[in-house]
Order: sequence, then C-alpha cells, then structure tokens
Amino acid sequence: EAGVVQSPRYKIIEKKQPVAFWCNPISGHNTLYWYRQNLGQGPELLIRYENEEAVDDSQLPKDRFSAERLKGVDSTLKIQPAELGDSAVYLCASSSGTPRGNTIYFGEGSWLTVV
Amino acid sequence: AQSVTQLDSQVPVFEEAPVELRCNYSSSVSVYLFWYVQYPNQGLQLLLKYLSGSTLVKGINGFEAEFNKSQTSFHLRKPSVHISDTAEYFCAVSASNFGNEKLTFGTGTRLTIIP
Repeated sequence: EAGVVQSPRYKIIEKKQPVAFWCNPISGHNTLYWYRQNLGQGPELLIRYENEEAVDDSQLPKDRFSAERLKGVDSTLKIQPAELGDSAVYLCASSSGTPRGNTIYFGEGSWLTVV
Repeated sequence: AQSVTQLDSQVPVFEEAPVELRCNYSSSVSVYLFWYVQYPNQGLQLLLKYLSGSTLVKGINGFEAEFNKSQTSFHLRKPSVHISDTAEYFCAVSASNFGNEKLTFGTGTRLTIIP
C-alpha cells in the first residue's frame, strides 16, 4: 500500500513568489495534517483536516498561507507571498482517526528554500 | 496544553553500546506518548507508542520505552545500537481526552553511532 505522497520534494523560490505543495494521503485516511519543520526543530502543526473540514488551523499564518482539501482526499498548501523565514520542510501526514492515540503516517516532506 | 522536553540535542554512542534518549512531558490531563524516528531526508516513522496498560512499551528495531507517570518521563532505550540507528528521534505527546486532540513534538535528539 502506498504511503503519504508529497510533491514537489524540493523547491527553491525567490521571496515574494508563490509556492504550492500537494499531498495525497494514505487511502481511507480521513484525517490529514500539514506540519512545518524548521531546521533542528520538531514538526509543528499548521492545519488538521477531518475529511473536508479544517478542524484546527490555529497555527496557520492566514495572511499568507492557505490550504484546501477538496473532496476529502488530496490537499494543497499554498504560500503567497513567500518570505525568507518560510524556508523549512513541509510535512504532510494522515491517520485513520484523530490524533488521540492513532498512528500518524508522514510523507517524505517538501523542502522549501526561499532566497 | 501539553509540552515535551528532550534535553539532549545530540547523543553520540559507540556501536553495540546501549543508549537512552530522554523525554519529559508536561500536561494537566492524561496523555498518550509516542516516539518517532526520522532518517536523513525522510519523513517521520513511528517507533512505538504508549496508550495505556503496561508501562514498558516495545517498538520496532529493538527499541523500547518506559512510561513513568510520577516522573512525567518516557525515555527511549536500546540495549545495543547499530550504525543504521543513526537518525533524529522525536518524542511526542497528545492529550487523551476529547476536544484536545493535537500531537505536540519535542525538538528532537540526534543519535550518532560511532563505529
């Protein structure tokens, strides 16, 4: 069975440019997460979806970040415009239930460098 | 809210020696605890988790962890490490009650195995 698939794996953009990341979760997983991992740090939750509904987006910088999960499967995370501080790894993950005790499966991440 | 402290940012260990990676958590409610491993340029993979029951939890690759409620700790151990164990290890916590469903990660411990 395929794991969580993310693209692109690597992206280098100039500041003020837009960028988008795509994620396909494990089949049947209704919960989808976007995490940001800064260098030398643990992942931090940006947004969590239960099916199509964003149930926790309290840490998403809504002035420049947006996310969507149409039809409750694939998801896209967009940054516009990008800033130098947005350089990080963006991890998509999924689980078959809520984070309460359920295993969260991570993709390999999308590495963003803003220059 | 829950928080996790991993006091050791880097741990060098000789091959075939034992290792302990420390994790302490803070929470006002009961918790679930997790250890994830991240190999270079990869996403996170679950090593083991504690939900309830026996406080000694066994995971993949010969790792185990012990939940100590009085000391609010969940240290990870392996009796004999291999070169392939070189990776970043993250401790994570989530609340066990409904309505507080967020997985919070520590800053990670980089385990380096010395041949």
